Parts: sequence; structure tokens; C-alpha cells
Amino acid sequence: GAGVSQSPSNKVTEKGKDVELRCDPISGHTALYWYRQSLGQGLEFLIYFQGNSAPDKSGLPSDRFSAERTGGSVSTLTIQRTQQEDSAVYLCASSQVGQGSGGANVLTFGAGSRLTVL
Amino acid sequence: GQSLEQPSEVTAVEGAIVQINCTYQTSGFYGLSWYQQHDGGAPTFLSYNALDGLEETGRFSSFLSRSDSYGYLLLQELQMKDSASYFCAVRDPKYGNKLVFGAGTILRVKS
Repeated sequence: GAGVSQSPSNKVTEKGKDVELRCDPISGHTALYWYRQSLGQGLEFLIYFQGNSAPDKSGLPSDRFSAERTGGSVSTLTIQRTQQEDSAVYLCASSQVGQGSGGANVLTFGAGSRLTVL
Repeated sequence: GQSLEQPSEVTAVEGAIVQINCTYQTSGFYGLSWYQQHDGGAPTFLSYNALDGLEETGRFSSFLSRSDSYGYLLLQELQMKDSASYFCAVRDPKYGNKLVFGAGTILRVKS
């Protein structure tokens, strides 16, 4: 597509429920990121997919968080047994990556999925 | 790992010039990027410096000094619409090539 699409745009859930957030990156972009942003805060790195390489999961805050990327395209971020502290905007971004290319620094972000855990 | 420091908030008046600084610590370095985020919006890419010096794009310029591990974003002829958060970011090949962001600087432009 023309941009990065995320769904749902808003999700309200009860504590303890599982949620899935979807990201559809720009076609041809091999790198895909998930970040989390709490109100008024910075961008917290969660996970990074690059091509067929093993994902960098170093930012996932707990084992309740997981993500997958199918066919090198669409990605799903799953949060199990949600807690109130999981409430935040979850941002997905994609980029093109080339050898030594500056393109890897140019991320296109989706509009985000706002998660509220009651 | 990587760490980036930038001021939490800057205030300036319309028409003025403002500089937002960013210092970083990484073991490797693949350039410094800047992003803008308006309230309620998604971050958007502004500029990227791989080499030392000044890159100019309209009213916005970005500077990098690799020897000082320092960069800044310069905004000229400030407009009210420039009120936003500005993030610097670095990519470190030693830490998986992922892009890591600073905590952001809130710029408030006053009339």
C-alpha cells in the first residue's frame, strides 16, 4: 500500500484479556519495527524484523508480548493477559534497508493503535 | 547499548531560530536522524546525517559532529505549526541495526 496501515486504531479491553494488533507495512519494505509510546513519553523500542533474519526481540517488556511477521509482510503484535500498564499507543514502522544505505534510517510510521486496558 | 540525550522542552517565539541538541553514545554509528511528531500524530522523518556537517532542507537544518558524538536540529523562521515533539535517533550495527530514539524534545512556539 501507499503507507503503513495499522488496525485497530483504538482498542479498549479488560485487564487479563489478550489483544492482537496488526501492521501492514509499505510494500517492498524489508524492515519492520514495533514501538510503544505512553502519553507524553518517547518511543520505546519493542521488536525489529529485518528480512529473513531472526527478529530482534530485545525490547519486549515481558513474555506476555510476542510478535510475528508472516511472509515478510504483515506483522501481528500480541499481548497476552493485558495489564493496565500496557495502555499506550503502539506504533508500527517500516523502512527499506540496503548495504550502508541511509534508507534504513528513514522510517515510515503508521497512525498507531491506541490500547486502553481497563 | 545506545543512549541519546536531548532537552525535554524548548520554548521560542514565532519567527525566531531554535536549536535542539542531541548527544549520543554508541559503540558503532550509522548516522543521526531526526523525526517530528505533532500531538496525536505519528512521527515523520525530517533529516538524516551520516557525515559531519550541515544538511539543509528548507527552514530545517541538521548538523552532525561524529568526533563529538553530537548533533542538532536547527529550525529557522519558526511558525506556530512547528510546535511538536522532535526526536533524534541513531542506528548501531553492534546492536542489531535497529533505530533507537531519544526521549524527545517538546518545542513550544509562542506568538
